[in-house]
Amino acid sequence: AQKITQTQPGMFVQEKEAVTLDCTYDTSDPSYGLFWYKQPSSGEMIFLIYQGSYDQQNATEGRYSLNFQKARKSANLVISASQLGDSAMYFCAMRGDTGTASKLTFGTGTRLQVTL
Amino acid sequence: DADVTQTPRNRITKTGKRIMLECSQTKGHDRMYWYRQDPGLGLRLIYYSFDVKDINKGEISDGYSVSRQAQAKFSLSLESAIPNQTALYFCATSDGPTGADGANVLTFGAGSRLTVL
Repeated sequence: AQKITQTQPGMFVQEKEAVTLDCTYDTSDPSYGLFWYKQPSSGEMIFLIYQGSYDQQNATEGRYSLNFQKARKSANLVISASQLGDSAMYFCAMRGDTGTASKLTFGTGTRLQVTL
Repeated sequence: DADVTQTPRNRITKTGKRIMLECSQTKGHDRMYWYRQDPGLGLRLIYYSFDVKDINKGEISDGYSVSRQAQAKFSLSLESAIPNQTALYFCATSDGPTGADGANVLTFGAGSRLTVL
């Protein structure tokens, strides 16, 4: 079974500072993918960044980077130069390789509040 | 127009009523999913379909049924709604298949907020 754990229900960060949102995962699958999604107050789910389990380098997408530590089974999201518009819920998710069904399992989310 | 369209966006109903949530997509994706979001629980998978003839239960399928009417359409039904089915429901689509570590990103609809009184 796959499990995603996000231990920070809420985080605060000042505008222009960097923030790290934690995500740990548990799987016995040899191959998997890790994703981060953003959910603003309007409710939609927005894809941010992806990391494959065999990728040697950490993924980056603009101000987002994924700090992937395979041995520790962690996939933390780093947001640099935070903006007010970054205030949202952030979900970590994982796709494993359970038979023929590869589905996303989500964590419980972290609510990020960016302050002036 | 949105890539993934969900209707209705909001619905209030009473216990025991039958409810259908509809989802249509213009992405041309084969794979479609229904997720439920509850506060503090994240998103949980209800049903998924990898093509028109393929329907699979997710982790919380009890009390729900689905129909894949076409590649582009995937509907979720609550045969007899109950208050603990009050939640935000998301339809999503993805490409497939690739390996499990492939970046088959899920594209989500805007969500359907259902309240069962």
